Amino acid sequence: GQQVMQIPQYQHVQEGEDFTTYCNSSTTLSNIQWYKQRPGGHPVFLIQLVKSGEVKKQKRLTFQFGEAKKNSSLHITATQTTDVGTYFCAGCSGAGSYQLTFGKGTKLSVIP
Amino acid sequence: DTAVSQTPKYLVTQMGNDKSIKCEQNLGHDTMYWYKQDSKKFLKIMFSYNNKELIINETVPNRFSPKSPDKAHLNLHINSLELGDSAVYFCASSQEGRLAAYNEQFFGPGTRLTVL
Repeated sequence: GQQVMQIPQYQHVQEGEDFTTYCNSSTTLSNIQWYKQRPGGHPVFLIQLVKSGEVKKQKRLTFQFGEAKKNSSLHITATQTTDVGTYFCAGCSGAGSYQLTFGKGTKLSVIP
Repeated sequence: DTAVSQTPKYLVTQMGNDKSIKCEQNLGHDTMYWYKQDSKKFLKIMFSYNNKELIINETVPNRFSPKSPDKAHLNLHINSLELGDSAVYFCASSQEGRLAAYNEQFFGPGTRLTVL
C-alpha cells in the first residue's frame, strides 16, 4: 500500500533558525496536504499542493511539491516559539480517494 | 459553533469494559473518519464513512465498531478494551468532491482514552 515517509522525526532549533521537514511517497500523489498539531491539540490543516512543482508561501512557511509528485517539503524561515508543534504531511493517491496517508510527523522544538 | 466535536474529551476505564466515543460535525460534510494517535504521535486511519456508508476499514480489531446514524455523526464503540487501546482518538470530516482538491480534513479535539 501507499507509504509516506517523513524526516526528520524530531528537530530542535534555536529561535530565529530555519527549519525544514521532508516528505516522500512510495507512489505518485494526486495532492499532498500539510497539517500542524500543537502540543495537546489536534491536527489543523495548513495547505494543499496539487500541481507538479508547485510552490506556495504562507508568511514564513514555504511549501513545495516535487516535479514527480512523490515528494514535498515544508520550510520555515526564522522560527519563532509559536512554530512549536508536530508537522504532518499527508498524501492522497487519487482524485476522489477518501484516504489520506499521513507521514509520521516532524516534532519541532524551538529554543528561545 | 464548533465544527467537529467529540465526547468525551477524556475517558479512563478498566480493561475489559465497553465504551463509546461520539463525534458530530456541523460543516455539512459527506465524509467522516476515525484516527488513532498513539504515544509516538503516529496518526493512523481506522475507518471512514461517506454518507453513512463504510468506505475505509483499515486493519483494526473487530472489537472496534463504527456507527453512523446520519452523515453528521460517526460514533466509535469499543468492546473488551485492552491496554493497547490507550491512545488519542480523533474524529475528522471532509467534503469530498470529484476533484481531490476538496478533501481538506477538519479534526475534532480528540478523546484521550486510558485503559487501566
